Amino acid sequence: DTAVSQTPKYLVTQMGNDKSIKCEQNLGHDTMYWYKQDSKKFLKIMFSYNNKELIINETVPNRFSPKSPDKAHLNLHINSLELGDSAVYFCASGTGGTDTQYFGPGTRLTVL
Amino acid sequence: SQQGEEDPQALSIQEGENATMNCSYKTSINNLQWYRQNSGRGLVHLILIRSNEREKHSGRLRVTLDTSKKSSSLLITASRAADTASYFCATATNDYKLSFGAGTTVTVRA
Repeated sequence: DTAVSQTPKYLVTQMGNDKSIKCEQNLGHDTMYWYKQDSKKFLKIMFSYNNKELIINETVPNRFSPKSPDKAHLNLHINSLELGDSAVYFCASGTGGTDTQYFGPGTRLTVL
Repeated sequence: SQQGEEDPQALSIQEGENATMNCSYKTSINNLQWYRQNSGRGLVHLILIRSNEREKHSGRLRVTLDTSKKSSSLLITASRAADTASYFCATATNDYKLSFGAGTTVTVRA
């Protein structure tokens, strides 16, 4: 049984388009995260939600908007995609605070 | 800028050898965690060491933490081909963020 799942696994799109990535966790965790991993494998936190409330919002362009319909789901919507948005996006969940996080398989976004 | 920085960036060893990688960080931490990422996959948690601990073991993994030097090391003993992956340290600070480095890529040759 998949603990943290993301769809789609691959996303290829044109500059200027709007796209969404979905994330679901079945671990019963209260906290979910979005990370961006660039081509040099550097992983950076973008957002964190705890029980559907935004608790971490790093310096991310307004074109990125997370949405949490319930505590098991955290989706990422990206407007007006740019070349620099090409990366692998990881969703993660955890019990919050400073504890272990559980990562999804990633979504590789390629903007042409 | 990232909190944790791993060293070396890449490591190639023979099966059966030990692999050691280091992580340095800049500010006070609550704990330090090591994760593994296989090619094209998500990160998998390996071990967590709290700021008041100095050493921790899990199977073939041994992690040390020196808060005075702001550094940690991960030792994988008797490496196997399946250990080929990227290894990341992540520092947990009191603002509830995990800060990752760019990882050490380990290749285990048969």
